[in-house]
Amino acid sequence: AQSVTQLDSQVPVFEEAPVELRCNYSSSVSVYLFWYVQYPNQGLQLLLKYLSGSTLVKGINGFEAEFNKSQTSFHLRKPSVHISDTAEYFCAAGSEKLVFGKGTKLTVNP
Amino acid sequence: SAVISQKPSRDICQRGTSLTIQCQVDSQVTMMFWYRQQPGQSLTLIATANQGSEATYESGFVIDKFPISRPNLTFSTLTVSNMSPEDSSIYLCSVPLQGHYGYTFGSGTRLTVV
Repeated sequence: AQSVTQLDSQVPVFEEAPVELRCNYSSSVSVYLFWYVQYPNQGLQLLLKYLSGSTLVKGINGFEAEFNKSQTSFHLRKPSVHISDTAEYFCAAGSEKLVFGKGTKLTVNP
Repeated sequence: SAVISQKPSRDICQRGTSLTIQCQVDSQVTMMFWYRQQPGQSLTLIATANQGSEATYESGFVIDKFPISRPNLTFSTLTVSNMSPEDSSIYLCSVPLQGHYGYTFGSGTRLTVV
């Protein structure tokens, strides 16, 4: 069975600092990997996805993630965050059905 | 990608009553998914709804509590029946993106049961 672990439940950072949100997955088969963002009182928006090919995936809003098969990780990064990036971020894995991690609340402080 | 219109966006309901949530998609899709997001928790898949067949429920979810309708390829409803405060959650519908690589979500229904 697939599982997704987000190692940090909360990540506070200052504006313009870099950030990394960590995600590890376990699966016995190849899976697709996703990062979603949920702004307060809103639904989920797809940030980026890894299907195959290049291990570095670029998404919207300046985010990128790197797929590391040997470490079964798919960490999300942004070199310089903005106040508007404050949201909850979910890592997910799966093909037909998605399994979600518990989420990481990113708070960007001025 | 598909656009999903989900309603209501929020509701406050009395325990023992039922609420039906609607999702309308602007294109035809074979599969629709219903998720629950309990307070402070991640998303959990409730069921998969295919047009023309019974919904497939995940472990821990039953049709009597969460009946689903899928009358056509662009519409589905989820009913939360005989509600209790433990049902207070955000409920979201989701459909596959074109090419089945990823999913798009509705804006969610924030349900509070009092």
